[in-house]
Amino acid sequence: EAGVTQSPTHLIKTRGQQATLRCSPISGHTSVYWYQQALGLGLQFLLWYDEGEERNRGNFPPRFSGRQFPNYSSELNVNALELEDSALYLCASSLRSQGIDYGYTFGSGTRLTVV
Amino acid sequence: KNQVEQSPQSLIILEGKNCTLQCNYTVSPFSNLRWYKQDTGRGPVSLTIMTFSENTKSNGRYTATLDADTKQSSLHITASQLSDSASYICVVSGNTGGFKTIFGAGTRLFVKA
Repeated sequence: EAGVTQSPTHLIKTRGQQATLRCSPISGHTSVYWYQQALGLGLQFLLWYDEGEERNRGNFPPRFSGRQFPNYSSELNVNALELEDSALYLCASSLRSQGIDYGYTFGSGTRLTVV
Repeated sequence: KNQVEQSPQSLIILEGKNCTLQCNYTVSPFSNLRWYKQDTGRGPVSLTIMTFSENTKSNGRYTATLDADTKQSSLHITASQLSDSASYICVVSGNTGGFKTIFGAGTRLFVKA
């Protein structure tokens, strides 16, 4: 069974540009979560999508947005990139049923570098 | 307030030694607790998952315990190896509608030869 896949693995952008990160969840999973992890720090919750809708977002500016497609894959968009956006962006997926997350699994991440 | 606190923040041990990492949480109502291992620059990998009714779960040299009454969990690593050097993250999920999965800040483990 394929795990959570993220693309690209690495991404280098210039300050002010836009970045698009992609995530394909495990087959059967309907929830996708995005996290930002700056170097040496813990995971910071960004966004949660479930059944195609944004369910919750963390304390990040509107420059961070995303969407979930009908096949449950997801995209994270970061506009007007700033140097401090450089981080590892992790996607996780789960099957959410009656408020419980089943099979919460992470992808390998996208390393975004803003120069 | 829902919180997950891990200790110690970092730990250095010699190869072959055992160690125990701690996780205290206040997430309520409780659904499950997971331990992840994260190598530098990689995504976290699940080690164990425990529900309310389970108080111990093993995965090779990793053994997790859970005391749902005191809201404490521990991860015990036996006969440590250099490859165990990583961050270990405790994650607790609640049992209500809405988002309630809380991450601990992690324990950074260094195993030295």
